[in-house]
Amino acid sequence: AQRVTQPEKLLSVFKGAPVELKCNYSYSGSPELFWYVQYSRQRLQLLLRHISRESIKGFTADLNKGETSFHLKKPFAQEEDSAMYYCALSRYGNKLVFGAGTILRVKS
Amino acid sequence: KAGVTQTPRYLIKTRGQQVTLSCSPISGHRSVSWYQQTPGQGLQFLFEYFSETQRNKGNFPGRFSGRQFSNSRSEMNVSTLELGDSALYLCASSLDGEQGYEQYFGPGTRLTVT
Repeated sequence: AQRVTQPEKLLSVFKGAPVELKCNYSYSGSPELFWYVQYSRQRLQLLLRHISRESIKGFTADLNKGETSFHLKKPFAQEEDSAMYYCALSRYGNKLVFGAGTILRVKS
Repeated sequence: KAGVTQTPRYLIKTRGQQVTLSCSPISGHRSVSWYQQTPGQGLQFLFEYFSETQRNKGNFPGRFSGRQFSNSRSEMNVSTLELGDSALYLCASSLDGEQGYEQYFGPGTRLTVT
């Protein structure tokens, strides 16, 4: 069965500090991995996906198939990054398997 | 362009009743997926419809059903409501049912079962 694990419920960092939100997955094939973000009072929205290899809002994520991880990183956190972050996996179609989410709190 | 809309935004129902939720996708999107979000179980996939056909289904009982119309609008129905069905129900639309297309989420319908 596919599973996505986000070990931290809450990650609190100071503004300007590096951020790493952890995501591990279990799936035997070649999944597609995503990071979704939900800012306060806003809808869930796509932040980035592994196939596009983009940097969005300074965030990057590298798929490590050996460690089955897809950690989200940003070198310097900003207060506006405070949000709930979900890692998600898709095997086929639009069926997303989500992790439990991590609240990122950036303190000034 | 207008985003995904869901109606109603809030619902209060009694155990044993049934409920129908509606989702209007972004214009041109043919795939609509439904998710249930609860504090205990998080975000769980219910089902996906593409061109009026159910393409994928999650692990929910048969009390949960859905359909999609020719204009891509979708409804989901929950019959014989249970207290545990209280949740935020999210709808998401995308251009195609194939893997790799970005899903756009609606604001959700908050269902409370008493």
